[in-house]
Amino acid sequence: SQTIHQWPATLVQPVGSPLSLECTVEGTSNPNLYWYRQAAGRGLQLLFYSVGIGQISSEVPQNLSASRPQDRQFILSSKKLLLSDSGFYLCAWSPGTGIQNIQYFGAGTRLSVL
Amino acid sequence: AQKVTQAQTEISVVEKEDVTLDCVYETRDTTYYLFWYKQPPSGELVFLIRRNSFDEQNEISGRYSWNFQKSTSSFNFTITASQVVDSAVYFCALCDLNTGGFKTIFGAGTRLFVKA
Repeated sequence: SQTIHQWPATLVQPVGSPLSLECTVEGTSNPNLYWYRQAAGRGLQLLFYSVGIGQISSEVPQNLSASRPQDRQFILSSKKLLLSDSGFYLCAWSPGTGIQNIQYFGAGTRLSVL
Repeated sequence: AQKVTQAQTEISVVEKEDVTLDCVYETRDTTYYLFWYKQPPSGELVFLIRRNSFDEQNEISGRYSWNFQKSTSSFNFTITASQVVDSAVYFCALCDLNTGGFKTIFGAGTRLFVKA
């Protein structure tokens, strides 16, 4: 069966520090991968998605970046965190292509930038 | 443009009451899929249902039921005899070809409180 792992679960970082959140998927190949951010009490904002290794599409211009160094690994990074980067970050995957695809989510990382 | 509106920000009910969560969507595509996801307090979103634009049959799964009406662009979700474990944020979502099939547009979510 497929599983998605996301870590860390909680992170407290000072303003201006770097960020690296990692997400890995097991039990499937060539998944579509997604990074979302959910601000407190708000909906999901799509940040990045990837349909293959090295292929990253950015939805929101900001100081975050994403990389996909391996087929089932998706990394969210920042060189310098801002206060506004605080939130709940969710990684998700979906199988193959097609608009019918269900997304499966990780447990999320709660990031507090102080 | 694609849009999903969940007008109800929060709903509070007493256990065993029925509750309906509203979802209205906008799309220019004739082929699209609609989804409902549940986000319990733990934070992880859980898939509940998927419907395609060509299938307007209502669906029932246990205490959950969904009413899809293309005429009103609505995909409402009803929980019958609600339980405390139903307390969560519920998201309605849309995916169509305009987004390339890779992007799902989520509504803002409805937070449901079920009191014992």
